[in-house]
Amino acid sequence: DGGITQSPKYLFRKEGQNVTLSCEQNLNHDAMYWYRQDPGQGLRLIYYSQIVNDFQKGDIAEGYSVSREKKESFPLTVTSAQKNPTAFYLCASSSARYTGELFFGEGSRLTVL
Amino acid sequence: AQRVTQPEKLLSVFKGAPVELKCNYSYSGSPELFWYVQYSRQRLQLLLRHISRESIKGFTADLNKGETSFHLKKPFAQEEDSAMYYCALLSNTDKLIFGTGTRLQVFP
Repeated sequence: DGGITQSPKYLFRKEGQNVTLSCEQNLNHDAMYWYRQDPGQGLRLIYYSQIVNDFQKGDIAEGYSVSREKKESFPLTVTSAQKNPTAFYLCASSSARYTGELFFGEGSRLTVL
Repeated sequence: AQRVTQPEKLLSVFKGAPVELKCNYSYSGSPELFWYVQYSRQRLQLLLRHISRESIKGFTADLNKGETSFHLKKPFAQEEDSAMYYCALLSNTDKLIFGTGTRLQVFP
């Protein structure tokens, strides 16, 4: 089944702990993205990567980190420095040719207690 | 600044009524615009893009450069159209900028 797989779907963590969200794609897409979705604020870009071993900060990168060691994988770490980590996180990918056409995962809901 | 504005958080209509979801953008040059939709318990997906000038599920969207708008329209709403709709703009650095979204509720 082709597409984007995010895990876990739900995650609970204590304040001060780092958390890593997984995102894997088998679409052979070059570009991958992490968005944060909050009610009333739409989707805000955290980080994106257009090629392996390279990534750029989005609009709200503070408190987050990523890596892109493999084309199919783009994990997001929510660090203890992120002030409001409780949110719904969406991973997406696109081909290099059609960068506006994103394919999304089902999302990961992180709750920090 | 490159920005997308969706002024309505919620739009409620009855089945069979026309629907217009508003989207305004701010961009220098020729914009590339998209509408994405998220149905309940489904992942966010592309609905349509202005460059292809297509109609998907009865929805159309016309780019109006004079008014910097890209409103999504459907002449007769169906209950299955109830969803969250996001307008998006492709930035000049190939990032997709999303609006805050409009929830469409279609009542029977």
